[in-house]
Amino acid sequence: ETGVTQSPTHLIKTRGQQVTLRCSSQSGHNTVSWYQQALGQGPQFIFQYYREEENGRGNFPPRFSGLQFPNYSSELNVNALELDDSALYLCASSRVTARDTQYFGPGTRLTVL
Amino acid sequence: GESVGLHLPTLSVQEGDNSIINCAYSNSASDYFIWYKQESGKGPQFIIDIRSNMDKRQGQRVTVLLNKTVKHLSLQIAATQPGDSAVYFCAENSYRDNYGQNFVFGPGTRLSVLP
Repeated sequence: ETGVTQSPTHLIKTRGQQVTLRCSSQSGHNTVSWYQQALGQGPQFIFQYYREEENGRGNFPPRFSGLQFPNYSSELNVNALELDDSALYLCASSRVTARDTQYFGPGTRLTVL
Repeated sequence: GESVGLHLPTLSVQEGDNSIINCAYSNSASDYFIWYKQESGKGPQFIIDIRSNMDKRQGQRVTVLLNKTVKHLSLQIAATQPGDSAVYFCAENSYRDNYGQNFVFGPGTRLSVLP
């Protein structure tokens, strides 16, 4: 076990709704990265938070947003859900920056109907 | 994670044999690489990493080889066990391009261990 936890485990939403996913990083880690993993594919980078600020972003629209809290836990928010947002959302934490090893949580499975 | 990709490359090996999983990476500036193992219903699990100043690194039952000339990475698993059955991803990271903010993952290879 990595010590990275995510909630909820599973979530079902309908198109147009909003969703918030949560992640608690491993002790001693202050960087959190979020990834989207579609079925049968490798994870794709959404964004990274370091010291409560966004520190890099992948090719995802602005309706994907996030937060990091003083205790380094993080949230991923997705507005105006689309069917293609159905995926496994993974959180990874690392010491200092992503140049250090990233350890992943178990993920949240989001289904958009 | 449910990487139960129906179209993933699959490697089938007999229990006890050695496995070699290959990965071709795309970015010549990538200088840090990680192999992850992902079992059904779980997030990716760190196996071993290697930086570009090395061409080989060994762990417990695993060895990673890096060939920067042809941009190729391989993961060797010795004495493959049923518990090794999973999807394996290589991930690359480049400090030059974006200060190494994120890893880019390959498409994955499914390893199936036969009894």
